[in-house]
Amino acid sequence: QQQVKQSPQSLIVQKGGISIINCAYENTAFDYFPWYQQFPGKGPALLIAIRPDVSEKKEGRFTISFNKSAKQFSLHIMDSQPGDSATYFCAASWSGSARQLTFGSGTQLTVLP
Amino acid sequence: GAVVSQHPSRVICKSGTSVKIECRSLDFQATTMFWYRQFPKQSLMLMATSNEGSKATYEQGVEKDKFLINHASLTLSTLTVTSAHPEDSSFYICSARGWQMNTEAFFGQGTRLTVV
Repeated sequence: QQQVKQSPQSLIVQKGGISIINCAYENTAFDYFPWYQQFPGKGPALLIAIRPDVSEKKEGRFTISFNKSAKQFSLHIMDSQPGDSATYFCAASWSGSARQLTFGSGTQLTVLP
Repeated sequence: GAVVSQHPSRVICKSGTSVKIECRSLDFQATTMFWYRQFPKQSLMLMATSNEGSKATYEQGVEKDKFLINHASLTLSTLTVTSAHPEDSSFYICSARGWQMNTEAFFGQGTRLTVV
C-alpha cells in the first residue's frame, strides 16, 4: 500500500514536444505529491509539488495534474528542451510517517535536439 | 530553496575500512534528516530517518551496526559505513527537513562510495 507506481520507465521526446510522466498510488493517506528531477551523479531536486485539494498546478513549463478519485497524478513538461533530459521521480508522503517520501521507480527522459 | 550540503561527493576506500559521510543544512535547522541509497538506474531507497538528538529509525533490512547514523545537532547528520565491503559501493544521498517545513525536504548532492 506504500507503493507509488511510475510509468514510463523511459521516454524520448523531440525538442519542443510535451513530455508526460504518470504515477499512481494506493495509500489514500498520502497528502503531498512532489516531483523531483535528478541529473547523473547529483541528488534529486524538487521540481514542483501538489496537495490533493487542487487538481492542477503549473509552474513555468511544468504542470502537475492530480486526479484524487483515480489516485493518479502526472507531470507534463511543455516545450521540452534538451536540458530537461534527466531522470524524474514522483513521490508521495503523509504526516503519519514522519513525512517520509515514497518514491516512484523513475523515468529517464531524453529530449532530442 | 534551502541548501543541504553533503560531503564528500565521492570517496574510494579499501575493503574493511570505515567511511564517514556528512550532511549539513546550511541555512535552516534540520529537525529531521533522511538517508537514502541509490543503485544505478534505480530509485532512492530509504535507509533511515533521524531526528535531532534521537536514535535513528532504520528501515527493515538495513543493518544499524553497519550504517551508523548520528544526528547530534540541528545542522549536521553523519552516516558512517563501517567495515565497508565492495557490495556497499553505491550512491548515498541525504535529505533534510526543518520544523517549519511541513512537507518539503531538501536533498544533498549525494556521495558516490566505491569500496575496492
